[in-house]
Amino acid sequence: EAGVAQSPRYKIIEKRQSVAFWCNPISGHATLYWYQQILGQGPKLLIQFQNNGVVDDSQLPKDRFSAERLKGVDSTLKIQPAKLEDSAVYLCASREQGQSSEAFFGQGTRLTVV
Amino acid sequence: AQSVAQPEDQVNVAEGNPLTVKCTYSVSGNPYLFWYVQYPNRGLQFLLKYITGDNLVKGSYGFEAEFNKSQTSFHLKKPSALVSDSALYFCAVRVPISGGYNKLIFGAGTRLAVHP
Repeated sequence: EAGVAQSPRYKIIEKRQSVAFWCNPISGHATLYWYQQILGQGPKLLIQFQNNGVVDDSQLPKDRFSAERLKGVDSTLKIQPAKLEDSAVYLCASREQGQSSEAFFGQGTRLTVV
Repeated sequence: AQSVAQPEDQVNVAEGNPLTVKCTYSVSGNPYLFWYVQYPNRGLQFLLKYITGDNLVKGSYGFEAEFNKSQTSFHLKKPSALVSDSALYFCAVRVPISGGYNKLIFGAGTRLAVHP
């Protein structure tokens, strides 16, 4: 079974530039998460999709971050404009339907804003 | 507020000795609890979970965790540590949100260092 795919693996941009990350979840997984992991901290949930609908985006900085999951499969996370404090690893995860199922994570995209 | 805490930033243990990585939680209702491991430059890998049933849960790579409802804890354990177990460990809890959904929140992580 293929895992969660993310691209790119690494990205370096200047502040005020824009950047986009892509995630392809495990086939059939209805729930998709985007997490931000700042160095030395635990992952923080940015946004959660159920199929193509948003069920939680309470910690997403909506003035600069946006995400979509068209057709309930792939997802993109965008930052525009980026700030220095956005430097982090962005993790995508997916989970199949069911209360007891666990989430599977991609390898993440390491973003450095200079 | 619903949360999960890992009180130790780092745990040091000698190879062959037992290890414990601590986790406590605060959540309403019955908790769904998880442990994940993260190796350098990698995503999180699932180790084990507690949903219901036996308080002692066995997982991957010889790890197990003990659910204690009265102490609201879910400590990760292994009888004999290996150098290759050195990594970052995260405890997570699933909490309910509106609409009948739930979300997964993580602790800050504990770095496990196993010395030869």
